[in-house]
Amino acid sequence: EADIYQTPRYLVIGTGKKITLECSQTMGHDKMYWYQQDPGMELHLIHYSYGVNSTEKGDLSSESTVSRIRTEHFPLTLESARPSHTSQYLCASSDSSDVDTEAFFGQGTRLTVV
Amino acid sequence: GQNIDQPTEMTATEGAIVQINCTYQTSGFNGLFWYQQHAGEAPTFLSYNVLDGLEEKGRFSSFLSRSKGYSYLLLKELQMKDSASYLCAVMGAAGNKLTFGGGTRVLVKP
Repeated sequence: EADIYQTPRYLVIGTGKKITLECSQTMGHDKMYWYQQDPGMELHLIHYSYGVNSTEKGDLSSESTVSRIRTEHFPLTLESARPSHTSQYLCASSDSSDVDTEAFFGQGTRLTVV
Repeated sequence: GQNIDQPTEMTATEGAIVQINCTYQTSGFNGLFWYQQHAGEAPTFLSYNVLDGLEEKGRFSSFLSRSKGYSYLLLKELQMKDSASYLCAVMGAAGNKLTFGGGTRVLVKP
């Protein structure tokens, strides 16, 4: 069973609010990812990190920002939420010491901006 | 960049076999993963291929040809619970970036 946790699971928030989606893993993985996925649609990589103090933008442009101050923690922040940010956000982590180690996913945060 | 293609949908009958193809063009390659995702849930790992050939794991097998940029996932003895999306994902150069294809929605009918 994967030890990667996302909070909150569901969030409904008003336009213009600042929000932070939390992601934590207790497996000591150095690589972490954020994906955005609309219902029934594909996963889009929006941010990734290969270690503390390293973050990179993914394939899909996103107005969100991330930080990686601690190995186990990879929060995603939206400074001013908009209805277009409504989506599911999935966090994942993997271990780079073995290339064949799969990425483990959290349960996701379903965000609705009204 | 990465380009990963797989069919959008497939339908099959319970007990049958289905093969889901995935083609990819990537700037680097450090392995290909298959994930299963049920509606509203997180993806779960099915298989990993980095060398050419077939990897078998119970009812699921995955094949890779690096020279052709091609993989397939084979699901045998289909069960109703296998109705889900199947995601092909490629680990790029330096093993840092895991990119997913659009997923193939498989519907298993009685």
